[in-house]
Amino acid sequence: GQQVMQIPQYQHVQEGEDFTTYCNSSTTLSNIQWYKQRPGGHPVFLIQLVKSGEVKKQKRLTFQFGEAKKNSSLHITATQTTDVGTYFCAEIYNFNKFYFGSGTKLNVKP
Amino acid sequence: NAGVTQTPKFRVLKTGQSMTLLCAQDMNHEYMYWYRQDPGMGLRLIHYSVGEGTTAKGEVPDGYNVSRLKKQNFLLGLESAAPSQTSVYFCASSPTGAYGYTFGSGTRLTVV
Repeated sequence: GQQVMQIPQYQHVQEGEDFTTYCNSSTTLSNIQWYKQRPGGHPVFLIQLVKSGEVKKQKRLTFQFGEAKKNSSLHITATQTTDVGTYFCAEIYNFNKFYFGSGTKLNVKP
Repeated sequence: NAGVTQTPKFRVLKTGQSMTLLCAQDMNHEYMYWYRQDPGMGLRLIHYSVGEGTTAKGEVPDGYNVSRLKKQNFLLGLESAAPSQTSVYFCASSPTGAYGYTFGSGTRLTVV
């Protein structure tokens, strides 16, 4: 079942500040995905990480997969109000379904 | 290009009533999933399907049934609704079980 823990639960930042959310597992992950959910919306797939130590960037977003494949992080540089939402990581289970972390809710104050 | 469509978007049920939530995808995806989302609980997998005619249980299957008679449709049924089933329900699909999901816009269900 679900073993991935996400921290922090909430984060309030001033626009322009950086933001990081972490996903930690007690077991080695084969891969991990990240999703964003805007308030009142549905989760939207952002990225998938597969390789140990992998780093991927999407504009101001940087995603990392730990060397031991037990943790992952999402870092947003210079947050904007459009970044508001909940960010979820998801771990694969039995090769055909994902279990989601509880999410980090980001609020950006203009 | 609709993607994943869920109907209805909102519903209020009385305890003991039954209903079916419909999920339809037009991307020819093999895998389909039903999740529920509750405050502070994230997304929890109810049931899933790896292809037409197949279904399997997820983390929280009790009180729900599903059917996948056609590849493009995945139905979630509540036979006797309970207040604990008040939640937002999301359907998702994926071309393979290991690739990013496309989610529907959700069904907000309230059981009174």
